[in-house]
Amino acid sequence: QSALTQPPSASGSPGQSVTISCTGTSSDVGGYNYVSWYQHHPDKAPKLVIYEVTKRPSGVPDRFSGSKSGNTASLTVSGLQAEDEADYYCSSYAGDSVGVFGGGTKLTVL
Amino acid sequence: EVQLVESGGGLVQPGRSLRLSCATSGFTFADYTMSWFRQAPGEGLEWVGSIRTLAYGGTAEYAASVKGRFTISRDDSKSIAYLQMNSLKTEDTAVYYCSRGGYSFEFWGQGTRVTVSS
Repeated sequence: QSALTQPPSASGSPGQSVTISCTGTSSDVGGYNYVSWYQHHPDKAPKLVIYEVTKRPSGVPDRFSGSKSGNTASLTVSGLQAEDEADYYCSSYAGDSVGVFGGGTKLTVL
Repeated sequence: EVQLVESGGGLVQPGRSLRLSCATSGFTFADYTMSWFRQAPGEGLEWVGSIRTLAYGGTAEYAASVKGRFTISRDDSKSIAYLQMNSLKTEDTAVYYCSRGGYSFEFWGQGTRVTVSS
């Protein structure tokens, strides 16, 4: 069982928005502003799409946004596109230089 | 340019051992926690473990599924992280990835495939 809880699946039609949640505790998600999100297509290296809760690495479209409330972080993908279909994972700092990881959410673009 | 290259994967029998390497370049290796992940066929990405920098004691943390069987080490002089896998089980079959960082993973290798089968 993963330390961070994500829904196993999410879906939306092209152009719509979808939000994926990531629930932890006050010792990780709730205690630090170091939540990250990763997009993973099969047989490819995972890609960082959000870091420090809300920041986007260079090259990541602004359709990807992050937020946090209490012990739950969220990733919102707006204006869904076919290429957004992938698995998404969250991670959070948990103290002492290491973190915790979520179980992943499969995003389907209908 | 930051690069991470995994090697050492292959076919191994259950109960045997295998050591994976993660050769890095483009950054000061000693300054970063290094982590290993894996993805089994048809499954999601799983965190395997992380090793802290020597400044944080060089200690490692592991997922429950591998604790006691896998060991992560690092050679800062060579900028390489290792994953020693002992007492391998068929369920350890996966693509193994290394990544820079302990809680935010910006850079990843392309992965090395490990198949545990008799």
